Amino acid sequence: DTGVSQNPRHKITKRGQNVTFRCDPISEHNRLYWYRQTLGQGPEFLTYFQNEAQLEKSRLLSDRFSAERPKGSFSTLEIQRTEQGDSAMYLCASRPSGGAPDTQYFGPGTRLTVL
Amino acid sequence: DAKTTQPPSMDCAEGRAANLPCNHSTISGNEYVYWYRQIHSQGPQYIIHGLKNNETNEMASLIITEDRKSSTLILPHATLRDTAVYYCIVRVAGMQGAQKLVFGQGTRLTINP
Repeated sequence: DTGVSQNPRHKITKRGQNVTFRCDPISEHNRLYWYRQTLGQGPEFLTYFQNEAQLEKSRLLSDRFSAERPKGSFSTLEIQRTEQGDSAMYLCASRPSGGAPDTQYFGPGTRLTVL
Repeated sequence: DAKTTQPPSMDCAEGRAANLPCNHSTISGNEYVYWYRQIHSQGPQYIIHGLKNNETNEMASLIITEDRKSSTLILPHATLRDTAVYYCIVRVAGMQGAQKLVFGQGTRLTINP
């Protein structure tokens, strides 16, 4: 049983650069989430996909952020023109459609540091 | 989703039961109580959830008061690997839509040898 995987695990970049993260959900999970977690805080929701459709976006997701899930499997999160405030852990989660216990399975996260 | 209140930190001796409280006084009748935990540098991990009956699984027990305004997560024999931040989340389950999780700051549980 492979869980949710995320790559890279760590990314250091300079301010103004673009970065892209990848999430591979558990196979057969058609729902996928991105969260962001800053130091000392709980994760905050960014966006949600059902299959390839992006159905909900948080206002935290500024226009510098874009997420895709082109074939309803893996997803990418891109941040353009990174700022120091983007430094955070970016978490991906997936869950199957319907059924109990209706939980989300999280990946290990990608830690972004913007210098 | 109803708001939850948890103590910021707790300590427990290894081998003893760890009891983590959560207040959710504004919970609605169709809202479930979920518990997740986050071990350092890892993603959150689902532990258990319940509606109004007490629940038990291989990881923990969940005790929900009769008025459902508070609950307690019990780790019956805490080990050093249970050191983590524990999040209590209240939300409606099984409906359409994103069903995103709204995390508070949780309780930082430290298990001491």
